[in-house]
Amino acid sequence: DIQMTQSPSSMSVSLGDTVTITCRASQDVGIYVNWFQHKPGKSPRRMIYRATNLADGVPSRFSGSRSGSDYSLTISSLESEDVADYHCLQYDEYPYTFGPGTKLELK
Amino acid sequence: QVQLKESGPGLVQPSQTLSLTCTVSGFSLSSYEIIWVRQPPGKGLEWMGVIWSNGNTNYNSTLKSRLSISRDTSKSQVYLKMNSLQTEDTATYYCARFFDYWGQGVMVTVSS
Repeated sequence: DIQMTQSPSSMSVSLGDTVTITCRASQDVGIYVNWFQHKPGKSPRRMIYRATNLADGVPSRFSGSRSGSDYSLTISSLESEDVADYHCLQYDEYPYTFGPGTKLELK
Repeated sequence: QVQLKESGPGLVQPSQTLSLTCTVSGFSLSSYEIIWVRQPPGKGLEWMGVIWSNGNTNYNSTLKSRLSISRDTSKSQVYLKMNSLQTEDTATYYCARFFDYWGQGVMVTVSS
């Protein structure tokens, strides 16, 4: 199975910060990486698809990038509503696999 | 608008079979894939399987021997059945339209 190694596992952040979360794929998954925001008691929300594409309705302060097998989600100028868990997902090969998640917490 | 909603029992006894239904609206199952994902309490997300628009299925190999996903396009429903449940199957179960639209999730507890 493809492993998605996600870092950091948690991050203490302040409003207005620029936050970057990274996933490294254990083998080539091309562009087939999504990023999800997940808040307690809510369903996951797709933020980025195919590594770099902003999903419908997602604020432009979110962006996705790729460098080789490293995939990053960046949140510019963090707002309070962005405090959540974030997960990456590879869907290039079965079984699709999620990263373990990054928990953003306010300082 | 696109909507998905999971339904099923909140409590299942160990060794029994879990049956969940995902009822969709606003799109056709003949045109979109439906995936199932679960999240045990305090743990990460796990992809369980997918039923494609043509009705073909793929399952997570860790669950394959216990899991079945099917559908009734006329009812706009997708079904998940998983047998031999254990306490570690306690989780919130989600269906989604290939990751872009998600149901609200249903919490399933496996306990006697």
